[in-house]
Amino acid sequence: DAKTTQPNSMESNEEEPVHLPCNHSTISGTDYIHWYRQLPSQGPEYVIHGLTSNVNNRMASLAIAEDRKSSTLILHRATLRDAAVYYCILKWSSGNTGKLIFGQGTTLQVKP
Amino acid sequence: DAGVTQSPTHLIKTRGQQVTLRCSPKSGHDTVSWYQQALGQGPQFIFQYYEEEERQRGNFPDRFSGHQFPNYSSELNVNALLLGDSALYLCASSFNFEGATQETQYFGPGTRLLVL
Repeated sequence: DAKTTQPNSMESNEEEPVHLPCNHSTISGTDYIHWYRQLPSQGPEYVIHGLTSNVNNRMASLAIAEDRKSSTLILHRATLRDAAVYYCILKWSSGNTGKLIFGQGTTLQVKP
Repeated sequence: DAGVTQSPTHLIKTRGQQVTLRCSPKSGHDTVSWYQQALGQGPQFIFQYYEEEERQRGNFPDRFSGHQFPNYSSELNVNALLLGDSALYLCASSFNFEGATQETQYFGPGTRLLVL
């Protein structure tokens, strides 16, 4: 399973954009990049995923480097509710069982 | 529409005992995965059930076993509990389409197990 590297923690001010980086230099061509987050006392929740092109949804944007060795999760306006542990996960999608391999994640603190 | 539900929410056991945790998947989902999350760590994959069979297993001993029922709900059993089994146990459900589990997994709130 390919590995991801994320900073242990980051801080942001409320209503400012947040860029959460993830390095995945050993990514293979069939690996999708997934982001999940885990709010305090809850199970993880899906945020976004992509393969090569940048992706947007109602929660966030995902910017993928051209060589796919890194990606950035972008929260456009952080709120206090966005304080969570964010996990960057590589998942082989085609014909697989969907097993998720979590790393340590990035703990995001949002200051009012 | 109820999401993934797990029971119980909390559990205290002593070393050597056995425990059973339960999970009901999100409506329309047929695949259940179990994860163990130690304090301060990311979740670790235990195993996944589909069509009432274990489809894939992580690096966990045989003390960890499971079952999936015809209604897609699932149980996680742990025998001969060790202190190190204290953790949050998470259940995730997803939908299998044409042999592949679809992208998004939905997690329950977990069961907090404390082994004394």
